Amino acid sequence: NAGVTQTPKFRVLKTGQSMTLLCAQDMNHEYMYWYRQDPGMGLRLIHYSVGEGTTAKGEVPDGYNVSRLKKQNFLLGLESAAPSQTSVYFCASSLLAGGHEQFFGPGTRLTVL
Amino acid sequence: DAKTTQPPSMDCAEGRAANLPCNHSTISGNEYVYWYRQIHSQGPQYIIHGLKNNETNEMASLIITEDRKSSTLILPHATLRDTAVYYCIVRVRYGNNRLAFGKGNQVVVIP
Repeated sequence: NAGVTQTPKFRVLKTGQSMTLLCAQDMNHEYMYWYRQDPGMGLRLIHYSVGEGTTAKGEVPDGYNVSRLKKQNFLLGLESAAPSQTSVYFCASSLLAGGHEQFFGPGTRLTVL
Repeated sequence: DAKTTQPPSMDCAEGRAANLPCNHSTISGNEYVYWYRQIHSQGPQYIIHGLKNNETNEMASLIITEDRKSSTLILPHATLRDTAVYYCIVRVRYGNNRLAFGKGNQVVVIP
């Protein structure tokens, strides 16, 4: 099992550009999450999904969109990147609802210039 | 979710047991104690969780006081690879889907 994988590992964008971060899990988990981590802020939940075809907003959803077309994939989109979105993005998945153990990917380091 | 308090940092000696404290004095009866850790530049990793009984797995032991207002994560034989930020999180088992990580405890294992 690869667990949770994230693509790409690093990316540099210019302000206003768009991009999609891909998260994939091979554990047949129902729940998937996108977090961002900034220095001194801890991890903050952006969006999450409780199953294929469903998504919901987390703590800091503005400026991001997500899609869960397949159970194993969870995509995070930035339509018009801003410097405030410079961060490390982590994807996670869990078998059951959020209190259940979450398994995290290795992260994507995004810089917006 | 109940608030937790951890020391911001601590050192421990390689090969010795590392005892990581966490205070959660406002914990509710249906809230569990979870521990995660994050090694530098990696994603967080689940370690262990418990409700009121002590728990042990291959990574660590979790000791919860009888009044449940505090707990201790024990790494039985700390290695250099255990250097990480350790997060104590208190929350209900199911329900909302957010893990509130806080600032954690930066643990450095010293040779």
